[in-house]
Amino acid sequence: GAGVSQSPSNKVTEKGKDVELRCDPISGHTALYWYRQSLGQGLEFLIYFQGNSAPDKSGLPSDRFSAERTGGSVSTLTIQRTQQEDSAVYLCASSLRTANTEAFFGQGTRLTVV
Amino acid sequence: AQTVTQSQPEMSVQEAETVTLSCTYDTSESDYYLFWYKQPPSRQMILVIRQEAYKQQNATENRFSVNFQKAAKSFSLKISDSQLGDAAMYFCAYRSDPAGGTSYGKLTFGQGTILTVHP
Repeated sequence: GAGVSQSPSNKVTEKGKDVELRCDPISGHTALYWYRQSLGQGLEFLIYFQGNSAPDKSGLPSDRFSAERTGGSVSTLTIQRTQQEDSAVYLCASSLRTANTEAFFGQGTRLTVV
Repeated sequence: AQTVTQSQPEMSVQEAETVTLSCTYDTSESDYYLFWYKQPPSRQMILVIRQEAYKQQNATENRFSVNFQKAAKSFSLKISDSQLGDAAMYFCAYRSDPAGGTSYGKLTFGQGTILTVHP
């Protein structure tokens, strides 16, 4: 596609349920990032995929969070046993792995845990 | 670890006037990139301008320019001739040099500044 696509746009879930958020990066972009933006806050890094290398998971806040990237393209962020503090906008970005490259962001998924 | 600080939670400007948004950062690296992103209500982050740390010349993109002070670790954004469409949240971000190791590509963001443009 022309840009980074994320689905769903909005998700309301009950506390304790599992959710899956999807990111479809720009074709040909080898790098993919997930960020979390809590209300009125900056973006917090969650996880980074680069090609076939092991992902950088250093930003995942707990073991309830996991992500995978199948075939070097689409990525899924899974949050198990959701908590109210997980409510946030989850943004995905992709880029080429070259110097002076730009990260392109999707429109995010607004997750609300009730 | 790198940190980015935006000390102005909110700023306002009259249409056609000039406004400057502040950003400071902390790093021990010598090679890196700095960015300003705009986030309108649609939530999509839009790149406004970027600066390579090895370049002394300040970056400029039309009405947007930066004042990059490497020694002071300061990176402010100046918006000239402000327009109603400039109203958004603005984020300053830092990225290590892509060749610099496993953390390359990862952006570290400030807390953001909400810019209001008055007609």
